[in-house]
Amino acid sequence: DTGVSQDPRHKITKRGQNVTFRCDPISEHNRLYWYRQTLGQGPEFLTYFQNEAQLEKSRLLSDRFSAERPKGSFSTLEIQRTEQGDSAMYLCASSLIMAGWGSYEQYFGPGTRLTVT
Amino acid sequence: AQSVAQPEDQVNVAEGNPLTVKCTYSVSGNPYLFWYVQYPNRGLQFLLKYITGDNLVKGSYGFEAEFNKSQTSFHLKKPSALVSDSALYFCAVRAPMDSSYKLIFGSGTRLLVRP
Repeated sequence: DTGVSQDPRHKITKRGQNVTFRCDPISEHNRLYWYRQTLGQGPEFLTYFQNEAQLEKSRLLSDRFSAERPKGSFSTLEIQRTEQGDSAMYLCASSLIMAGWGSYEQYFGPGTRLTVT
Repeated sequence: AQSVAQPEDQVNVAEGNPLTVKCTYSVSGNPYLFWYVQYPNRGLQFLLKYITGDNLVKGSYGFEAEFNKSQTSFHLKKPSALVSDSALYFCAVRAPMDSSYKLIFGSGTRLLVRP
């Protein structure tokens, strides 16, 4: 168990560019979550996957954001036409949820810090 | 709507003294409550959770938390603080009927333990 990993750890981009982040969850975990954390705030839920299905998206996830988990393993989060307001830490978390049992806690990766200039 | 409040932006305590980091919540039904810690440039690390049962839950690194249903609180405590406990602490709640199991976080409390 190597934990949740995210790549890259830091990304600096110019306004209007597209960026893509990757998250590798703990291998046996079937749920994967994306959160966004801005300075001085707690993480805010963006979206989550149960295996490869994206089951819920927050209102924070505008049309410029898209997330995938094609084979139910790693996930990508893409932001198109980045804006300065997208600057934040993007956190990925995973957990194992089965019918009637599972871990209640989520395990977080180190995050990708995005700076839009 | 579910929410979590951490009323203190920062808590200062001397090493060896007890510490308390406060958290209150608002959720429909019986809550699932969590504490996480965040070190600089790191992700969130799980400390402990309350799901049901004993109101006093014990977690990692000597931390514990007390669930108080009447006061809708879930304060984090440690009998003797260490300098290495200095970090950002987040309280989170999960609504019991939310099938997503998403976490709603407070704004965080910075704990500073002075030598």
